[in-house]
Parts: sequence; C-alpha cells; structure tokens
Amino acid sequence: EIVMTQSPATLSVSPGERATLSCRASQSVSSNLAWYQQKPGQTPRLLIYGASTRATGIPARFSGGGSGTEFTLTISSLQSEDFAVYYCQHYNNWPAFGQGTKVEIK
Amino acid sequence: QMQLQESGPGLVKPSGTLSLNCAVSGDSISSRNWWSWVRQPPGKGLEWIAEIYHTGSTNYNPSLRSRVTISVDKSKNQFSLKLTSVSAADTAVYYCARMPGAAAVHFDYWGQGTLVTVSS
Repeated sequence: EIVMTQSPATLSVSPGERATLSCRASQSVSSNLAWYQQKPGQTPRLLIYGASTRATGIPARFSGGGSGTEFTLTISSLQSEDFAVYYCQHYNNWPAFGQGTKVEIK
Repeated sequence: QMQLQESGPGLVKPSGTLSLNCAVSGDSISSRNWWSWVRQPPGKGLEWIAEIYHTGSTNYNPSLRSRVTISVDKSKNQFSLKLTSVSAADTAVYYCARMPGAAAVHFDYWGQGTLVTVSS
C-alpha cells in the first residue's frame, strides 16, 4: 500500500503571497497524482491531475509539479477564496488521499 | 451538464446496513468512465470506498472490502453502495464521484454528498 504524506498540516499565508504545498508518496506513483481543494461544507474540487495539468476552469495561479514520489502544489498569489483544505490523491491499484493541508489566513 | 446526486437514509442503526444511490445526469452510466464512492468522517479527511465500471468490473478499498458492495443500474442511470455491519466509525459524508476514462485515476465530478449517521 502506498502512503501519501502531505506537509505542512497547516500553512499560514497572507493574501497575495505564494503558497507551496507538498505531497510525498512512499513509493513511486509516476505522474498519477491529483490535487483537490475543499472549502468548509463544500464538495472537493479537482484542481490538478496528471501531476501538472490544470482541470477545466482552474485559474492559472494554481500549478502542480513533480513526479515519482515528490509533488508540489503552488498557488502563486493567494486570493481570499483560496483559503481551504487541499488534498493530494494518487492511484496505484486503487485511489488514496493524503491527509490534507489547511491553508489559513496569516 | 454533468451532475451526480446521492440519496438514501441519513440515519442507520449500529450493525445495520447503509444503502445509498447515486443518480447520474448529463452522462451515461455506460460511458467510458468509472464511478466511485468516497467518504469523509466529520472533521477528517477523504477515504475512497469502491469503484465500478458499467461492465460490472469493481474495485474495493481493502480495508472495507468485506463489508462493501457497489453495483450499477443501467436502466436508472445510477449506481449504488451497500455497507454492512455499520458502526459509529462509519458516520461520514458519503460522496459519489466520476473517474473519467477507462484508465481512470482521478475524480472530476462529485455529488454534493450526503451525511449518514450511525446511531441507535
């Protein structure tokens, strides 16, 4: 079983600043890595798939990178609507999620 | 427009069976996509439960496999989840979701979710 570890658990960022979230896999997952945003009381929203491809309608300030075991989600300039919990997800025989990173206002 | 809508009882007794349906609109359940259930206990993270293809091929989370059945009803364009022998640990928001393509590896559309509470 591949375990996904996200860091940090909580990231405090000021609006307009850059945020970088990490996701590490215990074994290589190639580029089968997706990122989701979830706001309180809302459904998860697909941001990035294939490690670096933005989903339909996702602003360009969101970018994904990495392959193998190390992945990042970068939000270039945080907007008020970006404060949320972010999950990474891999697929290796079955889907599995990381534990999430909460991006909060500093 | 692609939409998924969960339905089912919001309260299930301990040791009972949780049964949920997911109605699909804007796409055919027989299209080249996989269909999944994901749950989220209150205040916690996301846990994938199971997936199904319209041919009947299924895949289950190993930690839940012994208690879970996923099925598809083409005539109603919906798929379903059954989870047996439930306990308080199964209290969660249950989401249905689509995994695009025959080699699906992520979730692109999600239902709004339905809270299921296990309590006597």
